[in-house]
Amino acid sequence: EPEVTQTPSHQVTQMGQEVILRCVPISNHLYFYWYRQILGQKVEFLVSFYNNEISEKSEIFDDQFSVERPDGSNFTLKIRSTKLEDSAMYFCASRGTLSGNTIYFGEGSWLTVV
Amino acid sequence: KQEVTQIPAALSVPEGENLVLNCSFTDSAIYNLQWFRQDPGKGLTSLLLIQSSQREQTSGRLNASLDKSSGRSTLYIAASQPGDSATYLCAGGGATNKLIFGTGTLLAVQP
Repeated sequence: EPEVTQTPSHQVTQMGQEVILRCVPISNHLYFYWYRQILGQKVEFLVSFYNNEISEKSEIFDDQFSVERPDGSNFTLKIRSTKLEDSAMYFCASRGTLSGNTIYFGEGSWLTVV
Repeated sequence: KQEVTQIPAALSVPEGENLVLNCSFTDSAIYNLQWFRQDPGKGLTSLLLIQSSQREQTSGRLNASLDKSSGRSTLYIAASQPGDSATYLCAGGGATNKLIFGTGTLLAVQP
């Protein structure tokens, strides 16, 4: 069964460093998302991406965050200057029009900022 | 602004019991309601999706219902097994399909 894959599974970074989280959405999917889950808290929406541009973003997704689809298969989330409060599990997700509205999530990338 | 609440926060049942997990949402202009399973430290596995025009969906031992007028959805698990132990999340999808998640119900099925 097709799946969303994410790398790295876990990353530890120094505060102030740049981090890039990578995702390979399900092939032929057209809508891409990033969510995050701080330990013990709800899963929160960050950003949605369609047709090579951001279609919606949350208040969390400030100027420190950016997304990119550099080629036909990858979808990345960049955090320019990480803060301690960016420590969380980051989930990539994708949706294809043919699959209705089901959104499929990856296994997540644990980011620990120290 | 959509808010999603799940009750109970935690539930422990003996193996074989049927159980119901509850999800409520504040905005009835919901496009769909999706139920997920999350194992500790893992990703989100989609279980069932109910479109706003539907009343329920079934997959194996799972049945999810949606009542937009009352702002509620339930996930029914029949004949629970220890392997069902996980956190169950519901999420409401709006026009842009952005999902708003509840806090989840931590289910423990005792053998």
